[in-house]
Amino acid sequence: NAGVTQTPKFQVLKTGQSMTLQCAQDMNHEYMSWYRQDPGMGLRLIHYSVGAGITDQGEVPNGYNVSRSTTEDFPLRLLSAAPSQTSVYFCASSRGLAGGGYNEQFFGPGTRLTVL
Amino acid sequence: KNQVEQSPQSLIILEGKNCTLQCNYTVSPFSNLRWYKQDTGRGPVSLTIMTFSENTKSNGRYTATLDADTKQSSLHITASQLSDSASYICVVSAKGNDYKLSFGAGTTVTVRA
Repeated sequence: NAGVTQTPKFQVLKTGQSMTLQCAQDMNHEYMSWYRQDPGMGLRLIHYSVGAGITDQGEVPNGYNVSRSTTEDFPLRLLSAAPSQTSVYFCASSRGLAGGGYNEQFFGPGTRLTVL
Repeated sequence: KNQVEQSPQSLIILEGKNCTLQCNYTVSPFSNLRWYKQDTGRGPVSLTIMTFSENTKSNGRYTATLDADTKQSSLHITASQLSDSASYICVVSAKGNDYKLSFGAGTTVTVRA
């Protein structure tokens, strides 16, 4: 199993550009989520999905869109990049709700995004 | 205000020595507490998950403790190795419909030969 994969690993954008961060998992997990990690702060939830066709907002959703057409894939779209979106982005998946019981959350390797 | 506070922010230890990391939380109602290890440039990897009924759990040289009454947890690393150099993140889950996760900022551990 590859687990959770993310592409690209690094990306530089100019302000106003758009792009999609890709995330895929091969563990047949229903629950997937996107986080951003900034220096000195804990991971913050951007969007999450509890299954194909179902998405919801997390703590910091502004400027980002998601969709979940299949169980395996959960792309994150930046509509119009801003310097404040410079961060490391992590995709994660789990069998059930990430914080419930002993549901272990598996993270991808991350995408380091710089917006100039 | 972050509901999960970790200390120290960073520490340096010699290979073979032990260390203890602290996590204090205000998340309520409490569901479970997790410790993750994050190597530089990688995603977090789960070390332990503890519910309110557990007060200690081990994973190899890593031992986590939980005091749900004082809302404190610790992660003890025994006989540290160079590969233990990483950031250790405490995560607390709130009981509810969505089991919201609150992440600490992490403690960066550097193990030196």
